[in-house]
Amino acid sequence: NAGVMQNPRHLVRRRGQEARLRCSPMKGHSHVYWYRQLPEEGLKFMVYLQKENIIDESGMPKERFSAEFPKEGPSILRIQQVVRGDSAAYFCASSPTSSGGTDTQYFGPGTRLTVL
Amino acid sequence: AQSVTQLDSQVPVFEEAPVELRCNYSSSVSVYLFWYVQYPNQGLQLLLKYLSGSTLVKSINGFEAEFNKSQTSFHLRKPSVHISDTAEYFCAVSVKSGGSNYKLTFGKGTLLTVNP
Repeated sequence: NAGVMQNPRHLVRRRGQEARLRCSPMKGHSHVYWYRQLPEEGLKFMVYLQKENIIDESGMPKERFSAEFPKEGPSILRIQQVVRGDSAAYFCASSPTSSGGTDTQYFGPGTRLTVL
Repeated sequence: AQSVTQLDSQVPVFEEAPVELRCNYSSSVSVYLFWYVQYPNQGLQLLLKYLSGSTLVKSINGFEAEFNKSQTSFHLRKPSVHISDTAEYFCAVSVKSGGSNYKLTFGKGTLLTVNP
């Protein structure tokens, strides 16, 4: 059973470009979470999605960031008009259900975004 | 809001020595507690978690952590480390009650380096 897949692993963008980060959850998992790790910081929750629904986006910056988890295909985190402050590691996690904090979240290896 | 403090950013030890990685948290409500480990170029993996019951929890590879409510701590220990334990370790919490208990709040991580 393959783990959570994220691609690309490394992404370099120039200021003003768009970044698209992909996450394929573990087989059988329908809950996806995105976290961001800024330099010298811990991982911070961004958004929680189920298939075709955004459940909680309270951690997402209000502008330029969006996320989706379509019925078919991976979850996408999109950052428009990137700025240097967006440089970070973005981690995706998935779980089979959402039984509160008791449900283990399985993490991908992360995408390291560098904005020049 | 919750916060997690990992007091040591780096912990170097020699093989077969004991180790303790410290974690303190702050929360106005009851929490679940987790330790995740990240090996190089891999995603975060759950090492152990405290949900309820016995305050001492153990992993399959010899780590253990004890929940201390009065000191709001969840320190991770291993009596004898191996080279293969070299990794970054993250402490995390999520709230027990309410609708957002899937949100993990992480510390900044502790890099454990085991030297021969």
